[in-house]
Amino acid sequence: AQKITQTQPGMFVQEKEAVTLDCTYDTSDQSYGLFWYKQPSSGEMIFLIYQGSYDEQNATEGRYSLNFQKARKSANLVISASQLGDSAMYFCAMREGRSAGDKLVFGAGTILRVKS
Amino acid sequence: GAGVSQSPSNKVTEKGKDVELRCDPISGHTALYWYRQSLGQGLEFLIYFQGNSAPDKSGLPSDRFSAERTGGSVSTLTIQRTQQEDSAVYLCASSRIVKQETQYFGPGTRLLVL
Repeated sequence: AQKITQTQPGMFVQEKEAVTLDCTYDTSDQSYGLFWYKQPSSGEMIFLIYQGSYDEQNATEGRYSLNFQKARKSANLVISASQLGDSAMYFCAMREGRSAGDKLVFGAGTILRVKS
Repeated sequence: GAGVSQSPSNKVTEKGKDVELRCDPISGHTALYWYRQSLGQGLEFLIYFQGNSAPDKSGLPSDRFSAERTGGSVSTLTIQRTQQEDSAVYLCASSRIVKQETQYFGPGTRLLVL
């Protein structure tokens, strides 16, 4: 069963506008972590933002925020004021388990293109 | 500080040859992970090392794949008798062992098996 679902294979956004990238997850664990990574065409995986399952506040990091809706099992990434450099592949990932070091399970990714 | 480093950055090999991929984690990170990113398969977990514990090898796709981590730092992923389907980007990540600690990735090794 797919644990991380990213339903948008590709998205376009106009420069300076906000965009939401969807992510839903499936787990029976109470303790888990959700991550977003950015992968530009150069290939490196860049950590963007993290949300813990017990965190009551939505995570924010600069122009990135995570819209965490626990009951719906969704963890959407919101990028405000899009920039041309935001064009990349974006991956949602989850770590389950009580152990701090468990592996990440990734979604299929969403390609974001920012238009000028 | 220095991030995760991997070498080589690119590797082209012939089917049937063995290859070794190296990962040098961030200093002080006791957890090290290998993932594979291939077309059609996305990002897949391969193996995980945590300190001196036995590694979690549950993601290794076949017994041609093995990995070791010497001295709790550098790790080597070895693929024996490479096949064309092994062609992928092999990514290494490291993290500290605290609750829900972020994994930081290296630049990857692009492997092409001809």
